[in-house]
Amino acid sequence: GAGVSQSPSNKVTEKGKDVELRCDPISGHTALYWYRQSLGQGLEFLIYFQGNSAPDKSGLPSDRFSAERTGGSVSTLTIQRTQQEDSAVYLCASSLLQSNEKLFFGSGTQLSVL
Amino acid sequence: EDQVTQSPEALRLQEGESSSLNCSYTVSGLRGLFWYRQDPGKGPEFLFTLYSAGEEKEKERLKATLTKKESFLHITAPKPEDSATYLCAVQRGGGGADGLTFGKGTHLIIQP
Repeated sequence: GAGVSQSPSNKVTEKGKDVELRCDPISGHTALYWYRQSLGQGLEFLIYFQGNSAPDKSGLPSDRFSAERTGGSVSTLTIQRTQQEDSAVYLCASSLLQSNEKLFFGSGTQLSVL
Repeated sequence: EDQVTQSPEALRLQEGESSSLNCSYTVSGLRGLFWYRQDPGKGPEFLFTLYSAGEEKEKERLKATLTKKESFLHITAPKPEDSATYLCAVQRGGGGADGLTFGKGTHLIIQP
């Protein structure tokens, strides 16, 4: 596609439910990143994929968070047993190479946990 | 721990009034410093990457500069369409984590 696509754009869920967020990167981009943006906070790095492997999972805030990438393309971020503090905008970005030189971001998924 | 501090948090300017945004950073071995622009409801849009002290890059009314401790984003004769949040981020060198560390941003408003 023309840009990074994320779905859904908005998700409202109840505390304790699981959610799946999807990211479709720019075709041909090998590197994919997930970030979280909370109100009044800077973007927080969550996880990085090179192809289908995730060499850096250091940013995942707890074991309730997991992510996978299949076929070197689409990625899903799963949050289990959601908590109110998980409410944030979840942003996905891709780049052509691993270098992190120029990230292309999607518009994000606004997650609200009630 | 890498840290990025941006100032001011918010800035309101008249159209044509030039100014600068500051990004102070602490990082173990800077690999790159990045500037992004973010409009409401959208993801950040890449502006510049700077790699070493003394480097400068320009794009239209924007110029980014880098020293060993901070970066400035200079905005010359801004227009209302330059209104956005400007984000600064650093990437640590030496391998390891490839995630960027972002500042909280400067919310810039240009009034006609």
